[in-house]
Amino acid sequence: DGGITQSPKYLFRKEGQNVTLSCEQNLNHDAMYWYRQDPGQGLRLIYYSQIVNDFQKGDIAEGYSVSREKKESFPLTVTSAQKNPTAFYLCASSFPPSGSRNEQFFGPGTRLTVL
Amino acid sequence: GESVGLHLPTLSVQEGDNSIINCAYSNSASDYFIWYKQESGKGPQFIIDIRSNMDKRQGQRVTVLLNKTVKHLSLQIAATQPGDSAVYFCAENGRRDDKIIFGKGTRLHILP
Repeated sequence: DGGITQSPKYLFRKEGQNVTLSCEQNLNHDAMYWYRQDPGQGLRLIYYSQIVNDFQKGDIAEGYSVSREKKESFPLTVTSAQKNPTAFYLCASSFPPSGSRNEQFFGPGTRLTVL
Repeated sequence: GESVGLHLPTLSVQEGDNSIINCAYSNSASDYFIWYKQESGKGPQFIIDIRSNMDKRQGQRVTVLLNKTVKHLSLQIAATQPGDSAVYFCAENGRRDDKIIFGKGTRLHILP
């Protein structure tokens, strides 16, 4: 049963703490992505990785960090430097854009609330 | 600059009627377009896609139309059902780095 999993579904943290969101995929996809979604808004790209041990900043990378040590995993750390971290975080993966389609497959999301 | 947007943020449709959700894009170099459906509290799900060398593509109850002349994309849902209630996003990809640009989304309400 292939897919993308994110954990936890709901996460609470105190202001000033770092927190790491998990994203795992067993679709054998090379590329993985992290998006942030605020209420009534679209998706904004935080970081993406096209291959293991390599990643690039997206449009809103400040206050976030990632690692890509394994093909299957792309954890996102929300640091205390992120001024407004409360949001819905979505992870996605895809094959490289070499075929006829390169849709991104999304996980179920993690809702982070900073108290 | 590149942008993907939607004409209407909310669309209300009678159950059984057809729905049409519109999207405008500005990057004429984009060659791949996708429609996603997002239900409340869940991740987006792929609905249908289309390449720039096509102007129409049909799926099960859904049709995507692409008008490259006016940079317009639309999603048609036939015989709208309560389960179609969701936010619909269009997205474009015209670059080699595999980044996809998402629009803000349209919320579709199904009236009984």
